[in-house]
Formats: sequence, structure tokens, C-alpha cells
Amino acid sequence: TQLLEQSPQFLSIQEGENLTVYCNSSSVFSSLQWYRQEPGEGPVLLVTVVTGGEVKKLKRLTFQFGDARKDSSLHITAAQTGDTGLYLCARGNYQLIWGAGTKLIIKP
Amino acid sequence: SAVISQKPSRDICQRGTSLTIQCQVDSQVTMMFWYRQQPGQSLTLIATANQGSEATYESGFVIDKFPISRPNLTFSTLTVSNMSPEDSSIYLCSVGGRQVDMQYFGPGTRLTVL
Repeated sequence: TQLLEQSPQFLSIQEGENLTVYCNSSSVFSSLQWYRQEPGEGPVLLVTVVTGGEVKKLKRLTFQFGDARKDSSLHITAAQTGDTGLYLCARGNYQLIWGAGTKLIIKP
Repeated sequence: SAVISQKPSRDICQRGTSLTIQCQVDSQVTMMFWYRQQPGQSLTLIATANQGSEATYESGFVIDKFPISRPNLTFSTLTVSNMSPEDSSIYLCSVGGRQVDMQYFGPGTRLTVL
């Protein structure tokens, strides 16, 4: 099984701080997706990264795909309480393989 | 994108009973997926449901326990049969997007079995 390892599993920080979430695999993947899930909702796709070394920005969120396409990171600058949620990375075609998730809590 | 609704949004059930969860999509889709998720944790795929064929179940999930119907390209149901407290979870349906590596999700059904 080509697992995705996510770290940290849980993170609680103050509003305004920066944070990084990691998603790693021992195998190369053609693309990787990041989802965010808020309580009572299903996961929502944030971004797909495809090219090794690729960097994508979504407002205060910066997504990076490793050069070897085995790892990815999500960096949030100046976190806000609205960033609170479960962040999941996923890979695959049709049937996705999911990371364990990072539960993020931003305290006011 | 696809808009997906699920019914019920939550339910509390007695052990030994069954619950059928409905998933409705606003467009025709080939592949629909059913997941189980413990709050705050990752997703576990139960089965893939294609219209016109039997659902394909993942290891650890069987048709007798989780029968699935897929009568058309916009609708599917998942039944949780003979429930026990261990079945308490969030059940999510999803559909594939235009690209094979993305999915759209319904809001989930939160099930509590007493």
C-alpha cells in the first residue's frame, strides 16, 4: 500500500502565527491534492499540485510539491480562526489514497 | 464542480436496526464513492458504486453489512445493516471530478448507534 504520512496530526496555535503541514510518501506520485474539512461538512479541494518543485498560492496558503514528487507541504501565513479545520492530503486516480489528516485549531 | 446532498444529516439509531443514507448529485456522474470517517480523522473508503454494476467493496467491508444501490447516474444509497455502536461514524459520499485525481463530497451523515 502506498501510504501518505501527514504531520503533525494535531496543531493548536494562536491567531497570527505561521504553520506548516507536511505530507510524505516513499513513492513518487503524479499529483497530490490538499483538502480542508470543516466540522459538519465534507472535505473541499484546496489545490492540486502536479509538477515537481511546483509552488501554488491560495491567499495566505502556500502549497509546495517536492522536487522528487514524493512530498508536499502546506504553509499558512498569519493563521486566522477561519483556518481551523482538518487538512487532508490525497493522491491517486479515481480511488484516492488519503493521509491521516492534520487537525488544526487556531485560537483567537 | 458538483453539488452533493445527503440525507439524513444525522441520526441516532438503536443497535440491530438498519439505516439507509441517500446521496443525490446535481449532475450525472459515473463513479460515486462511499466513505466512513471518525470525527477528526482521515477517510476510509467503503466502496465504489458505478451505475449499472455491483459496487466494489474495500477490504473489511462486505455487501451484507453495507448494501449499496446505484439506480441512476445522479443517486446512490448506502445502508448500514444490523447496526452496532462500532458503526457510529460519519458517512460521506463523493463523486469524481473532471480530473481523475479530485473528488467532490457531500456534507456527510453523522450516525450514532446506541
